[in-house]
Amino acid sequence: NAGVTQTPKFQVLKTGQSMTLQCAQDMNHEYMSWYRQDPGMGLRLIHYSVGAGITDQGEVPNGYNVSRSTTEDFPLRLLSAAPSQTSVYFCASSRLGSSYNSPLHFGNGTRLTVT
Amino acid sequence: DAKTTQPTSMDCAEGRAANLPCNHSTISGNEYVYWYRQIHSQGPQYIIHGLKNNETNEMASLIITEDRKSSTLILPHATLRDTAVYYCIVRVVNTGTASKLTFGTGTRLQVTL
Repeated sequence: NAGVTQTPKFQVLKTGQSMTLQCAQDMNHEYMSWYRQDPGMGLRLIHYSVGAGITDQGEVPNGYNVSRSTTEDFPLRLLSAAPSQTSVYFCASSRLGSSYNSPLHFGNGTRLTVT
Repeated sequence: DAKTTQPTSMDCAEGRAANLPCNHSTISGNEYVYWYRQIHSQGPQYIIHGLKNNETNEMASLIITEDRKSSTLILPHATLRDTAVYYCIVRVVNTGTASKLTFGTGTRLQVTL
């Protein structure tokens, strides 16, 4: 199993550009989520999904869109990048249902710089 | 949502036990305590979790007080590779089966020779 795979590892955007951060997991996890991490801060939840076709907002959703068309993939879209979105982005997944206390599995992150 | 309080940083000599405290005084009865760590900007790594009993696995032990208002993560024989930021998290269960983790700023553990 590859676990949670994030691409790209690094990205530089100009203000106003759009892009999609990719996240894929091969563990058949129902729950997937996106976090951002800024220097000196903990991880903040952007969006999450409990299954295909179901998404919801987290703590800091503004400026980001998500969709979940398959169990495996959960892409994060930046429609018009801003310097405030410079951050490290982590995708995470876990099982749900009777094992709601199952741990999150994280990818290794995408480092995004917006100039 | 129950919040957690951790010291900003701690030091530990290699080979000694590292005891990382966490306060979660507003925890509710059905919330678990989770510990993760993040090594040098990699993705966070799950360590251990528990509800009210002490737990042990191959990585660490988790001691939760009887009133559940605080807990301690114990790394029994710390090595240099344990240098990381350690996050204590209370799992928030949303409506239905959705659940999400709220991360704080964690404790930066420095293991030294």
